[in-house]
Amino acid sequence: EVQLVQSGAEVKKPGESLRISCKGSGYIFSNYWITWVRQMPGKGLEWMGRIDPSDSYTKYSPSFQGHVTFSVDKSSSIAYLQWSSLKPSDTAMYYCATTYPYRSGSFGFWGQGTLVIVSS
Amino acid sequence: QSVLTQPPSASGTPGQRVTISCSGSSSNIETNTVNWYQQLPGTAPKLLVYGNDQRPSGVPDRFSGSKSGTSASLSISGLQSEDEADYYCAAWDDSLNGRSVFGGGTKLTVL
Repeated sequence: EVQLVQSGAEVKKPGESLRISCKGSGYIFSNYWITWVRQMPGKGLEWMGRIDPSDSYTKYSPSFQGHVTFSVDKSSSIAYLQWSSLKPSDTAMYYCATTYPYRSGSFGFWGQGTLVIVSS
Repeated sequence: QSVLTQPPSASGTPGQRVTISCSGSSSNIETNTVNWYQQLPGTAPKLLVYGNDQRPSGVPDRFSGSKSGTSASLSISGLQSEDEADYYCAAWDDSLNGRSVFGGGTKLTVL
């Protein structure tokens, strides 16, 4: 069974750092890109960017470039999304998704989401 | 302001056919494939249609996608109460060095 399991909800203060995770199983993790998607409260889906687990090549949306960092531990099939200095506007649900199995730019499987709350 | 434009809401009664539109441009829908996602309340999105008109295994054939020029659409026939959800179109966009873009989402209400 293909699964992406994300780390639990986080409550942080502005300026703090954070790393959330996304662990894949049930497929060859390194063969398919991992995408990160933001959903702010009551809003739609926003593509943040993607990482190729085979070589850690990253592509960021211009809207998120410089504010977040993607990384991956290929040996453990885990992808990470990291902030060095959180802002209240980072409060959102964050999803990881894989391009397995269809590629074609589609995201075939999604994690359950990680809720991040940034508040003083 | 989303790159892909969807109506914010749609509705229908059980058994009806509903169509949700997605309007884009020459840098996204016209030259790249369109995918559709369903997000049930409180859950993660789920792939509903990929490659313009292909259904993943397990997705009922009540759901169908199509594309023409710079627009795409998702049709749901034999509407059921469990279809009440948010629906998003998505495509690759060749502008700004390439990026994936979503529509703003359409909230489907089953009356």
